Amino acid sequence: EDKVVQSPLSLVVHEGDTVTLNCSYEVTNFRSLLWYKQEKKAPTFLFMLTSSGIEKKSGRLSSILDKKELFSILNITATQTGDSAVYLCAVVFPDDKIIFGKGTRLHILP
Amino acid sequence: DAGITQSPRHKVTETGTPVTLRCHQTENHRYMYWYRQDPGHGLRLIHYSYGVKDTDKGEVSDGYSVSRSKTEDFLLTLESATSSQTSVYFCAIKDSRTNEKLFFGSGTQLSVL
Repeated sequence: EDKVVQSPLSLVVHEGDTVTLNCSYEVTNFRSLLWYKQEKKAPTFLFMLTSSGIEKKSGRLSSILDKKELFSILNITATQTGDSAVYLCAVVFPDDKIIFGKGTRLHILP
Repeated sequence: DAGITQSPRHKVTETGTPVTLRCHQTENHRYMYWYRQDPGHGLRLIHYSYGVKDTDKGEVSDGYSVSRSKTEDFLLTLESATSSQTSVYFCAIKDSRTNEKLFFGSGTQLSVL
């Protein structure tokens, strides 16, 4: 069974739109949640979330964690074609396993 | 790139042959991970290591073994490669300073014919 579930799996929007990507997980005992962006090569780090309710921001991207409801969201405002990528979330378990979801493939139309 | 080097970058091999992929790091991080990435599956954890000679299984460890005889090297071995092991393999290290962030190598494209 999938412990980390991302939705939607695929999303196509127009440049300038705002998107919300979801990551839900079926575990309560985890240390942190990570978000990554993957274009053609290796994933690159976006955010690490450890506490519920604290929003992390970087430019047009932001993310928040809800530990009670077991999910996280990644928001991208005023999307640009350069935001087209696969967005991955991962959960860090107490035994240091790091498990990823299947990712959301985001395509921004000009 | 957090000083991570994967080798080889590309490999084509035949079914039934053994294959070893190497991950080398230069920053003395304790934790190292091997993932495979296939369309529709995201990144799946194969094995990981939390120190020299300390390793543990991930989600898809069958058909793979690992060794870590030195802090800087983490080897992934396919004992007898199968076509289902055709994939892109990523090595990652966990940043000891933050203890959570993963940094990835450039990946190895493996084709098993």
